[in-house]
Amino acid sequence: GAGVSQTPSNKVTEKGKYVELRCDPISGHTALYWYRQSLGQGPEFLIYFQGTGAADDSGLPNDRFFAVRPEGSVSTLKIQRTERGDSAVYLCASSLEGSGDSPLHFGNGTRLTVT
Amino acid sequence: DQQVKQNSPSLSVQEGRISILNCDYTNSMFDYFLWYKKYPAEGPTFLISISSIKDKNEDGRFTVFLNKSAKHLSLHIVPSQPGDSAVYFCAAVNSGNTPLVFGKGTRLSVIA
Repeated sequence: GAGVSQTPSNKVTEKGKYVELRCDPISGHTALYWYRQSLGQGPEFLIYFQGTGAADDSGLPNDRFFAVRPEGSVSTLKIQRTERGDSAVYLCASSLEGSGDSPLHFGNGTRLTVT
Repeated sequence: DQQVKQNSPSLSVQEGRISILNCDYTNSMFDYFLWYKKYPAEGPTFLISISSIKDKNEDGRFTVFLNKSAKHLSLHIVPSQPGDSAVYFCAAVNSGNTPLVFGKGTRLSVIA
């Protein structure tokens, strides 16, 4: 069956520009997560949705980062006024439930490069 | 402060031998632990998990051991195969309170 799909797979943008990263979760999965992975690091939590609402956005680094999931399925991560330090692989994951012991299914990520 | 630590960035093992990947955690509220495997240009994939009420969970060639008193877990792969070469992430969670917290990963190379 279809897994988690993330588009684009690669995005190069100039410093100061706005970017949107899209995630299509596995059908029927109510929980959706965004993580960011920098070189040599493990995935770092950004935000978690249960249905349409952001249940936990404590990982968003600052107010330039915002995410939405208006219909409880597709999610978009939005980054304003991008900085070079935002360069990373942005990973989306979904799970059947939001409980911590429900394994996450990850997409292949979007590699963002800010020049 | 890293709540989940994988102190070995890399490990090299001969094919057929046992691979042992280690992980330490600091948060005593964690009650569920998972291992994920990641190939280049792909997202992490779930491998095996263990609840804090157990000390061992086995799935084929993969076994995870948990030592709660030492706040330590390990993943054993036996026998190791070249296809096991990947980055392995340890992750932990307080099941009543997401999100999953990951370590930095250990790159395993299985040499034929």
